[in-house]
Amino acid sequence: AQRVTQPEKLLSVFKGAPVELKCNYSYSGSPELFWYVQYSRQRLQLLLRHISRESIKGFTADLNKGETSFHLKKPFAQEEDSAMYYCALSGSSNTGKLIFGQGTTLQVKP
Amino acid sequence: DGGITQSPKYLFRKEGQNVTLSCEQNLNHDAMYWYRQDPGQGLRLIYYSQIVNDFQKGDIAEGYSVSREKKESFPLTVTSAQKNPTAFYLCASRGLPSPWVGELFFGEGSRLTVL
Repeated sequence: AQRVTQPEKLLSVFKGAPVELKCNYSYSGSPELFWYVQYSRQRLQLLLRHISRESIKGFTADLNKGETSFHLKKPFAQEEDSAMYYCALSGSSNTGKLIFGQGTTLQVKP
Repeated sequence: DGGITQSPKYLFRKEGQNVTLSCEQNLNHDAMYWYRQDPGQGLRLIYYSQIVNDFQKGDIAEGYSVSREKKESFPLTVTSAQKNPTAFYLCASRGLPSPWVGELFFGEGSRLTVL
């Protein structure tokens, strides 16, 4: 079965500290993985995707097929990073169906 | 201003009543989706449609119905058969073909409360 697990409901760090939001997935094929972010009073939006191997707003995420993980990392957290983060998985079919994790609230304290 | 518009933002319903949530997009996207967002459960797919006059059930379709008569519109009806309808509902769309299968564009959401 396809599943995405984000083990932490809330992650609280101080400004300038490193951040790692965990995401583990279960999928038998070759998944496409994404991180979505929802800032306060804004709509849910795509942050980054594993296939492009990009860094957005200082965040990176590496797909580790051996550990079936796609953790989101940032070396120095900023207060404006405070938001809800969702990890999502898309299977091999081109339907655009995404399976989302439970979400992690990141709170960056000053 | 291009994007996805959901209405109403807030809706109250009495038990036993059907209610329809509107989702309109002017992005010329072919595919549209409805998700339900509950605290601690993430987003769960209710229905999706890849072309006009065609739609498929998602993971939690029971108690919901949709239609796709126009490319830009994908309304969701929450019927009285839905046992726990109080939730936040999100509509999304995606252009086809798209190099990024998972790049969805979301609306601002509709919060439904059953009294």
